[in-house]
Amino acid sequence: ETGVTQTPRHLVMGMTNKKSLKCEQHLGHNAMYWYKQSAKKPLELMFVYSLEERVENNSVPSRFSPECPNSSHLFLHLHTLQPEDSALYLCASSQDWGSGRANEQFFGPGTRLTVL
Amino acid sequence: AQTVTQSQPEMSVQEAETVTLSCTYDTSESDYYLFWYKQPPSRQMILVIRQEAYKQQNATENRFSVNFQKAAKSFSLKISDSQLGDAAMYFCAYRSGVSGSARQLTFGSGTQLTVLP
Repeated sequence: ETGVTQTPRHLVMGMTNKKSLKCEQHLGHNAMYWYKQSAKKPLELMFVYSLEERVENNSVPSRFSPECPNSSHLFLHLHTLQPEDSALYLCASSQDWGSGRANEQFFGPGTRLTVL
Repeated sequence: AQTVTQSQPEMSVQEAETVTLSCTYDTSESDYYLFWYKQPPSRQMILVIRQEAYKQQNATENRFSVNFQKAAKSFSLKISDSQLGDAAMYFCAYRSGVSGSARQLTFGSGTQLTVLP
């Protein structure tokens, strides 16, 4: 595997389900990101992890819970979602030099989530 | 807060012709980075080109080039000799160069490019 991978590619869940999205990067990067892409809207940054520490959380509802066990893996745990949470969820990674000079982000293919 | 505006939701170009996608941004910072990303129907977001704000020279990557006008806060993408594989959604993105806030990318709403055979 190369680059950034995401599983599953498609997910359909009910509002009472609990599921998790997985992201893995094979680029040796130390920062990882979750984005939400809804139709007709710009990409929205959800969470940023740098060196496995969450550094940004853009007012995301608590029904989304990220986890970063190591620099190569990032999870997004989903619980009691709403139909409006249906979207494409994109993971990205970059090399963060820590002084504000992070390199460009490389994206995974995304998980298409549908909440019924 | 920074904003990125792409005023062309859709564009089309004839194969082998040239097309320019526009992007404007609003910021009070002097140190930042600008990017164009491409998202084809496969949904994999791919970096097309980047520009550092401190560089006056416009970035170029093969058939892709930018027209960076810092004073006007404009960052357009020119695609020369358009190919069918260029058909995709194109996103303009901004990233601050200020320490402590540099990780976040702010995206525009995208321009859907169609390439006509």
